[in-house]
Amino acid sequence: KNEVEQSPQNLTAQEGEFITINCSYSVGISALHWLQQHPGGGIVSLFMLSSGKKKHGRLIATINIQEKHSSLHITASHPRDSAVYICAVSRWDKLVFGAGTILRVKS
Amino acid sequence: DTAVSQTPKYLVTQMGNDKSIKCEQNLGHDTMYWYKQDSKKFLKIMFSYNNKELIINETVPNRFSPKSPDKAHLNLHINSLELGDSAVYFCASSGTSGGAGDTQYFGPGTRLTVL
Repeated sequence: KNEVEQSPQNLTAQEGEFITINCSYSVGISALHWLQQHPGGGIVSLFMLSSGKKKHGRLIATINIQEKHSSLHITASHPRDSAVYICAVSRWDKLVFGAGTILRVKS
Repeated sequence: DTAVSQTPKYLVTQMGNDKSIKCEQNLGHDTMYWYKQDSKKFLKIMFSYNNKELIINETVPNRFSPKSPDKAHLNLHINSLELGDSAVYFCASSGTSGGAGDTQYFGPGTRLTVL
């Protein structure tokens, strides 16, 4: 069993829908990261959080340390949000990654 | 101005060859990393360096040898390439001294294909 589990693995949404991607982890961490990988392959860090909630534009990330769970929300989704969203946890000196969620937003 | 750059972007080579991938960051970061992304898009850390010192060597075959001539560069040399080495290799950097609890900036990736 992976230390970091994401759900769903695949997600198809209609433009405008509210999207939630979940991440659960089973180990102690110092921070949790949400990354975005576009079809072209580049990886961008969206959020790093160790408590509470962060918001950037239409993206919101939350974390519950006690429950070892984080969610990434996308409001008013758009086709350009189509990408792979990866959860990763900082564990000692390294990142441990989830398997990613493939999101496709249809117009 | 590119923050983390890698060369080459694509690398196609025969089994048994030796190849290198170069990485440079102009962010002034202390820590650099190499990650491997397999065919299922799963990312895994290979190495990390902090100020030219090896911090993490994550059970990678010793055919893989990272080299950090200065804290802005982290190169990856691979000897005797095998089919299973085919993957996308990402370089990344972060600002903290040896910790992964900081935002990481990724290079564009190098797609290695071993024939």
